[in-house]
Amino acid sequence: NAGVTQTPKFQVLKTGQSMTLQCAQDMNHEYMSWYRQDPGMGLRLIHYSVGAGITDQGEVPNGYNVSRSTTEDFPLRLLSAAPSQTSVYFCASSYATGGERSYTFGSGTRLTVV
Amino acid sequence: GNSVTQMEGPVTLSEEAFLTINCTYTATGYPSLFWYVQYPGEGLQLLLKATKADDKGSNKGFEATYRKETTSFHLEKGSVQVSDSAVYFCALIAPPWAGSYQLTFGKGTKLSVIP
Repeated sequence: NAGVTQTPKFQVLKTGQSMTLQCAQDMNHEYMSWYRQDPGMGLRLIHYSVGAGITDQGEVPNGYNVSRSTTEDFPLRLLSAAPSQTSVYFCASSYATGGERSYTFGSGTRLTVV
Repeated sequence: GNSVTQMEGPVTLSEEAFLTINCTYTATGYPSLFWYVQYPGEGLQLLLKATKADDKGSNKGFEATYRKETTSFHLEKGSVQVSDSAVYFCALIAPPWAGSYQLTFGKGTKLSVIP
């Protein structure tokens, strides 16, 4: 039972480069989301999806794109990396209905933009 | 909107000391409440949860009681260990009828336990 798998674990980008952070879950969860974690800020929601083909913006969406073509995968794209996007990124998934709406998190991707 | 406020850290305790990390929330209705723990270099793990007023969540010696009257969900442990050193996050999800799936987090409290 893999849970939520994020790749890569570490990445260094130059300003202006683009890249995709991968997230996959094998629990058949409808809901998936991306958070960024910054010191003293807690976790802030970037984008989320309630099912395949449906995405929406969270609290800090600027500079990021997402898509949800399958239930399992929810990649996060950085279009043109900036130093302000240096952060630790977490993907999380959950059932969207019923009482068991507790999230499973991936182990994170530590991104540095230089 | 929804919000979570938890006590500022860092918190440093000696082994076997009593731990309290305060958490209060603002939300409409009866949200579900959670404590997550993040060990160094790892992702977040669910520690415990409560989904209705007066529920007590418990796990690994940690407890928290959902207090609607004080809108609080304080985390407690009677005797901490060095292995409890981590960052603890209080969080909430709005009730299902609100149609929101977003986890709203507090800023986290770093706990260090010294031998």
